[in-house]
Amino acid sequence: GAVVSQHPSWVICKSGTSVKIECRSLDFQATTMFWYRQFPKQSLMLMATSNEGSKATYEQGVEKDKFLINHASLTLSTLTVTSAHPEDSSFYICSASPRTGSYFYTEAFFGQGTRLTVV
Amino acid sequence: DAKTTQPNSMESNEEEPVHLPCNHSTISGTDYIHWYRQLPSQGPEYVIHGLTSNVNNRMASLAIAEDRKSSTLILHRATLRDAAVYYCILHGSSNTGKLIFGQGTTLQVKP
Repeated sequence: GAVVSQHPSWVICKSGTSVKIECRSLDFQATTMFWYRQFPKQSLMLMATSNEGSKATYEQGVEKDKFLINHASLTLSTLTVTSAHPEDSSFYICSASPRTGSYFYTEAFFGQGTRLTVV
Repeated sequence: DAKTTQPNSMESNEEEPVHLPCNHSTISGTDYIHWYRQLPSQGPEYVIHGLTSNVNNRMASLAIAEDRKSSTLILHRATLRDAAVYYCILHGSSNTGKLIFGQGTTLQVKP
């Protein structure tokens, strides 16, 4: 199957600093990627849709100025958590689906996740 | 996307079959039924999906009720590695890859 890779797998940063998380589709092109956040013992919550060459679409309640998304190429989307605070500590996961002709692939492929701890 | 309802948790013994139920009474005619699972500290992985007919693959089987208002994921012989959270998700035919996750079922497998 297709592979989606995230980097880093975990990161610890100081409060007030910014952290960038990368999501790469390794063997397919992804015009659309998705970013999720997951708190301990909770389900995944969709944060935003990353669109190649255009602005991301954020879900209600997600601050676009705090969670900056850039999708500059067909294989890379980045999520930057700006001015991170302890409450931003979470597990961040990206996903993408390969596209076949006019149709998207039927399954989504997920990165391994990035554990962010803000101290 | 229509909502799904799953039990919070289930237990199984190793080597025995497991039936994970999912209710989706408001499913529309074009919604696909997808199952994903998430092992601890990992991103979710695809398990199986179907529309109307029962489906089988190397990981599991998916049994879909005739009225499509419920479905069951079947793991034929549970192993310790199958301990995970299993998510049943409805996905429309537009199929952009955007998934809305419910709470899922936490499956415990006892040796």
